[in-house]
Amino acid sequence: KNQVEQSPQSLIILEGKNCTLQCNYTVSPFSNLRWYKQDTGRGPVSLTIMTFSENTKSNGRYTATLDADTKQSSLHITASQLSDSASYICVVSVGAGNNRKLIWGLGTSLAVNP
Amino acid sequence: NAGVTQTPKFQVLKTGQSMTLQCAQDMNHNSMYWYRQDPGMGLRLIYYSASEGTTDKGEVPNGYNVSRLNKREFSLRLESAAPSQTSVYFCASSEGGRGGNTIYFGEGSWLTVV
Repeated sequence: KNQVEQSPQSLIILEGKNCTLQCNYTVSPFSNLRWYKQDTGRGPVSLTIMTFSENTKSNGRYTATLDADTKQSSLHITASQLSDSASYICVVSVGAGNNRKLIWGLGTSLAVNP
Repeated sequence: NAGVTQTPKFQVLKTGQSMTLQCAQDMNHNSMYWYRQDPGMGLRLIYYSASEGTTDKGEVPNGYNVSRLNKREFSLRLESAAPSQTSVYFCASSEGGRGGNTIYFGEGSWLTVV
């Protein structure tokens, strides 16, 4: 069964600190992996998208890693800001062409406190 | 840039009533999507459209109909609303084929069926 599991479910950190969010997936065949940020009451916004051959991708203070062998990804947030408070969702794309499907994780809820 | 625009933002329906959620994108994308998001569950695809005049069922299509009016617009209709359809609905769009590229989301429509 195709699955995407994220940990922790929720996290509280102080402004300025770093944090790392985890995503483990069990899918076949793997196409790509994405991280989305979803602010409360808003739609998800794409942070990164990585294919099988990419193991690191950055977007400002966000750095995503991918280990296709262990089927794990992480999202590292550097020097957190209050505006980073949001849900971070890992999404894995399975299959190809018209059979491609997205498997959404449940997200990690991050709160950045002053 | 407007991106993906969906209306209405909030709606309360009585069981059995019908309504249409409207969505338009100004990014000249071929692919458009309707998702629903419920607590404790990842985003679930309701319907997908690869181009004007074509639509495909997603994971949870029952109780919904869609119409791809033109390249810009993709509407979602609830013919006879049920309490189980209380949810947040997101319209989205992307270049290229299904889930292959970055997906851009609207701001969401909060629907309550009483």
